[in-house]
Amino acid sequence: GENVEQHPSTLSVQEGDSAVIKCTYSDSASNYFPWYKQELGKRPQLIIDIRSNVGEKKDQRIAVTLNKTAKHFSLHITETQPEDSAVYFCAALGFRGATNKLIFGTGTLLAVQP
Amino acid sequence: DVKVTQSSRYLVKRTGEKVFLECVQDMDHENMFWYRQDPGLGLRLIYFSYDVKMKEKGDIPEGYSVSREKKERFSLILESASTNQTSMYLCASSLVASGIDYEQYFGPGTRLTVT
Repeated sequence: GENVEQHPSTLSVQEGDSAVIKCTYSDSASNYFPWYKQELGKRPQLIIDIRSNVGEKKDQRIAVTLNKTAKHFSLHITETQPEDSAVYFCAALGFRGATNKLIFGTGTLLAVQP
Repeated sequence: DVKVTQSSRYLVKRTGEKVFLECVQDMDHENMFWYRQDPGLGLRLIYFSYDVKMKEKGDIPEGYSVSREKKERFSLILESASTNQTSMYLCASSLVASGIDYEQYFGPGTRLTVT
């Protein structure tokens, strides 16, 4: 069935370094790929998304790239700060019946060391 | 501003009890979802609903049922709670597939402990 794999499961970086999280998906019909950030004790919130008609999208220090041929997409965070510490989930949009649903990766715990 | 609320932040129940988790959204979203979140397993979909009285099984529906009598409210029911259902439960809502906005808005979660 539909599947999204996410790596790494944990990532520790020094403040100011870059962080990269990678995901692969199985459903070639997926056309929407969001990234959610979940801070400790809080709800997941959308931070950036990309659609299949573009290869890259950037929003300040975060960017997402998409390779539809290889069926993988990545989150890039530059100049990391302690407040970037959180669990990050990638997802791919799947369709079932009358509605859409997101298939989530297993999450990456990012720790930014001051 | 979309608001998704859940009836309890923390809940402790005994094995065999019937448990109700309530979720309410105020943005007139058609889709509503229930996930459970466990360390290392991410967000796993239990059930979802795309309209009142409509429901579909997600990836892990066993031991759960749902109810959607009103558009804004989606309930998750544990018919007979078991210890392996101890988890964080997250509700979410989204618009119907419009080609424009697929964002899911999450509630704050309910930490359920079954003893």
